[in-house]
Amino acid sequence: GDSVTQMEGPVTLSEEAFLTINCTYTATGYPSLFWYVQYPGEGLQLLLKATKADDKGSNKGFEATYRKETTSFHLEKGSVQVSDSAVYFCALSDQNTDKLIFGTGTRLQVFP
Amino acid sequence: EAGVVQSPRYKIIEKKQPVAFWCNPISGHNTLYWYLQNLGQGPELLIRYENEEAVDDSQLPKDRFSAERLKGVDSTLKIQPAKLEDSAVYLCASSLEGQLSYEQYFGPGTRLTVT
Repeated sequence: GDSVTQMEGPVTLSEEAFLTINCTYTATGYPSLFWYVQYPGEGLQLLLKATKADDKGSNKGFEATYRKETTSFHLEKGSVQVSDSAVYFCALSDQNTDKLIFGTGTRLQVFP
Repeated sequence: EAGVVQSPRYKIIEKKQPVAFWCNPISGHNTLYWYLQNLGQGPELLIRYENEEAVDDSQLPKDRFSAERLKGVDSTLKIQPAKLEDSAVYLCASSLEGQLSYEQYFGPGTRLTVT
């Protein structure tokens, strides 16, 4: 079945460092891809999305490009802030069932 | 606008006891989801409602788990009897009817500890 694999955390960075969180997927067909963020004590929030190959999703300085050839959707940010500390989940939406399938999450810790 | 409300936020019970979680979706949202999130894992769908109807409960362990959404608004998820392995976070989410699944809004979750 469909699945998502993302890098284990925690990822620990200093403020203004460059961030990459890797995500790869396995799916039949052409899924949509997402990154969600979960801040401490809050619910998951959609951060960005891409619905077809070569699409780039972006929001709040974060970007991810849908790479069909490498089945990847890596999350990047050029300069992280302390306020970006959270857990980030990569996810896909099954084309047939419209069901969300999540990765295991990656905790990001940013220190001043 | 109020978000998805869940209660309680934390619950500790002994194994074999029953437990119930409550969710109130965003006003006007017809679709309601319950997810299970084990420690270090992503959320997994347990059940999806469209109004009062459970349209996908294929992942709900029906021997001990039950859910209801009697008036198509708030919902209750119950476990009876609880087992140690049920310790997890239970998430509720909602969306407007007809929206794609990624357009759902999540609540903060209920963290269950079974001792």
